[in-house]
Amino acid sequence: GDSVTQMEGPVTLSEEAFLTINCTYTATGYPSLFWYVQYPGEGLQLLLKATKADDKGSNKGFEATYRKETTSFHLEKGSVQVSDSAVYFCALRRTGANNLFFGTGTRLTVIP
Amino acid sequence: KAGVTQTPRYLIKTRGQQVTLSCSPISGHRSVSWYQQTPGQGLQFLFEYFSETQRNKGNFPGRFSGRQFSNSRSEMNVSTLELGDSALYLCASSPRRDGSYEQYFGPGTRLTVT
Repeated sequence: GDSVTQMEGPVTLSEEAFLTINCTYTATGYPSLFWYVQYPGEGLQLLLKATKADDKGSNKGFEATYRKETTSFHLEKGSVQVSDSAVYFCALRRTGANNLFFGTGTRLTVIP
Repeated sequence: KAGVTQTPRYLIKTRGQQVTLSCSPISGHRSVSWYQQTPGQGLQFLFEYFSETQRNKGNFPGRFSGRQFSNSRSEMNVSTLELGDSALYLCASSPRRDGSYEQYFGPGTRLTVT
């Protein structure tokens, strides 16, 4: 079945450090891939998405590239800020479906 | 536009009771999906409603049910509550259900079962 495997956390970084959170997936066909972010006490917000192979999603300095050959969608940011502290979820959605399959989430803490 | 709203935001219930949670989607959105978030199981899909019909269902027992009204508002019900039902329940809406649109999430209802 469809699944998402996400890098275990928590991750603690100093401000301005480089961030990578690994995400790999298993799915039939050509799913769409997403990164969602959850700030304390809030619901999920879409951070970025990619709908086909080699697409790069980007938003607020975060980037992720849909790699079909390695079934991966790793999240990166060149210089993290304290305000980036949150839980990050990788997710996939099968073509033609509306429900999302989520990874376990990675808690990021950025210290000044 | 107002976002997805969920009521109540917090709820405490006793084992064996039942509970009803409410979700109002973004205006014009016709698809509503429900997810359960727990520390142990993460985020899991419960079900999706579109045009007042359940269109898709996750792997949850029959104690979990839902419905959607003609104005697209949705409710989910959990009967005979168990301790393991303690979770954050998230609702998400989208204009259609063909996967071509982003899902917008509400802030969630935190249910605690004692």
